[in-house]
Amino acid sequence: GQSLEQPSEVTAVEGAIVQINCTYQTSGFYGLSWYQQHDGGAPTFLSYNALDGLEETGRFSSFLSRSDSYGYLLLQELQMKDSASYFCAVPKGTTDSWGKLQFGAGTQVVVTP
Amino acid sequence: GAVVSQHPSWVICKSGTSVKIECRSLDFQATTMFWYRQFPKQSLMLMATSNEGSKATYEQGVEKDKFLINHASLTLSTLTVTSAHPEDSSFYICSAKRDGPGGNSPLHFGNGTRLTVT
Repeated sequence: GQSLEQPSEVTAVEGAIVQINCTYQTSGFYGLSWYQQHDGGAPTFLSYNALDGLEETGRFSSFLSRSDSYGYLLLQELQMKDSASYFCAVPKGTTDSWGKLQFGAGTQVVVTP
Repeated sequence: GAVVSQHPSWVICKSGTSVKIECRSLDFQATTMFWYRQFPKQSLMLMATSNEGSKATYEQGVEKDKFLINHASLTLSTLTVTSAHPEDSSFYICSAKRDGPGGNSPLHFGNGTRLTVT
């Protein structure tokens, strides 16, 4: 079956850089996406990688290495509002449907003053 | 931007009753919507895929007779939790994928419904 592994929690101070790693095992690969979820809120899409390399979107970047079945989300210039859970996700099964996602367990990022 | 509205935001019900949750795509059509469930401090788990004009498809282990899904139009899907029990207490989140080209367009999530069964 498919699985994703990511650290459970990361703590850092404001202004720091945090890297959240995600390793995955999938039967087929259709890309890795990242979502942010504040406590009690809806997940919001952050980034998506289908090909190897780095995708940059403002303070957030995401990296993928398909040969290593590994990706990471990089949060730069951390702000207090970045305290949230971050999930990596891949499409379930062999479909390339982006609606049927399997999420990792999530990484709780705690930003301290 | 794409907006998905979910209603109600929270609901408390008694054991044995049924609860209906609505999910609407406000500014786009969505032939397909998805229902997820999230227990506290856990990840989102896909429950079912809601298809406009056809039956929903359920993930393994999800009881279709307990979680009734109706996709009445291109902008509305409903999830009814029937004969709710305390173990059904959870955060239910819908999502929708905009129809059209762009197979890898991101999912848009509703704000979720916090269900508490007493």
